[in-house]
Amino acid sequence: QVQLQESGPGLVKPSETLSLTCTVSGGSITSYYWSWIRQPPGKGLEWIGYIYYSGSTNYNPSLKSRVTILIDTSKNQFSLKLSSVTAADTAVYYCARVRGVRYYFDYWGQGTLVTVSS
Amino acid sequence: EIVLTQSPGTLSLSPGARATLSCRASQSVSSSYLAWYQQKPGQAPRLLIYGASSRAIGIPDRFSGSGSGTDFTLTISRLEPEDFAVYYCQQYGSSLTLTFGQGTKVEIK
Repeated sequence: QVQLQESGPGLVKPSETLSLTCTVSGGSITSYYWSWIRQPPGKGLEWIGYIYYSGSTNYNPSLKSRVTILIDTSKNQFSLKLSSVTAADTAVYYCARVRGVRYYFDYWGQGTLVTVSS
Repeated sequence: EIVLTQSPGTLSLSPGARATLSCRASQSVSSSYLAWYQQKPGQAPRLLIYGASSRAIGIPDRFSGSGSGTDFTLTISRLEPEDFAVYYCQQYGSSLTLTFGQGTKVEIK
């Protein structure tokens, strides 16, 4: 059974960079796409971007200028960096596995709340 | 970018009732790229339906998906107590981006 676990600071100051890591267990990170999705408190889901195990990426156009997703296949991890954060970036951040060909999310992490505040 | 609009925003129904949730796209979506998720408070979303009509592993057959083009539907044939939750549709488009609908909350009447 594939499991995903997000980790990283729960509090980030405005204008700084949010950094999160997702660790994949119970399966290999290779041959799949991996994604970050976020959900502001009380609101809906927003796709941030995805990365293929080869390193190729695709980002939400609305966040593209501030987002970097990287992958480390030796550690079975992928990461998210979101720069120049504001209070609007406060959200629960989820990592998820993307089933290629049909592009849906079949495994999700439990999510981690990141608050942007001074 | 394709926008997904879900309706109604909230559906108030009794256990045992039939629930019909709508997801309308601003332009045509390939059926292969339309999925539905269920989210309960404090939990991550759970995949219900992919490819517009295929149930994910372990999903009861009271959940069914249908539709094509710009109109898609999630039907719950008989609501069980554990089905009261928020439901999201999601699509993958030709611009290689993914979007979610804003969600439909199914609440106990």
